Amino acid sequence: AQRVTQPEKLLSVFKGAPVELKCNYSYSGSPELFWYVQYSRQRLQLLLRHISRESIKGFTADLNKGETSFHLKKPFAQEEDSAMYYCALERTTSGTYKYIFGTGTRLKVLA
Amino acid sequence: DADVTQTPRNRITKTGKRIMLECSQTKGHDRMYWYRQDPGLGLRLIYYSFDVKDINKGEISDGYSVSRQAQAKFSLSLESAIPNQTALYFCATSDRARGPYEQYFGPGTRLTVT
Repeated sequence: AQRVTQPEKLLSVFKGAPVELKCNYSYSGSPELFWYVQYSRQRLQLLLRHISRESIKGFTADLNKGETSFHLKKPFAQEEDSAMYYCALERTTSGTYKYIFGTGTRLKVLA
Repeated sequence: DADVTQTPRNRITKTGKRIMLECSQTKGHDRMYWYRQDPGLGLRLIYYSFDVKDINKGEISDGYSVSRQAQAKFSLSLESAIPNQTALYFCATSDRARGPYEQYFGPGTRLTVT
């Protein structure tokens, strides 16, 4: 079965330190992968998608098909990065559509 | 601003009651979704609709039904609520023309079944 795994429930880092939020997926095809973020008292919103190969708010994520990973990285964490982060996978196979979220990682950036 | 809205935002109901959660969007998107979120389990897809006449079950549709009244409206019903349906429910939309499909989420409805 397709699955998205975020092994860390909570990640605490100091301001200015590098951040890596891990995401591993199980899917044999070519997935569409996303990172969503939910700041306190705000809606879940898209942070970035793998196909765009973009950097948003200093975050990047590289799809590694060999390791089936899509880790989210930022070289220097800021306090405003504190939020809940979800990795998600979208796929359609044999007419069946799935949009699968990981369980999320709470990032706390300490002053 | 184009938006996704959900009503009610909070609801407490009793076991066995029928309840409807409503979702409306002004984004002009053709696709709409219902998710539930439970602590430690992330979001799980209940139902999705790619247009008004296309409604499909997600991974956890048992105990739920939906209605797509118009392109802009997608309702989720619990015919006979049970306590393990206590959760945070999210509606989302996406635009077929802008794949891969980023989803736009509503603010959520917190449902408690006693």
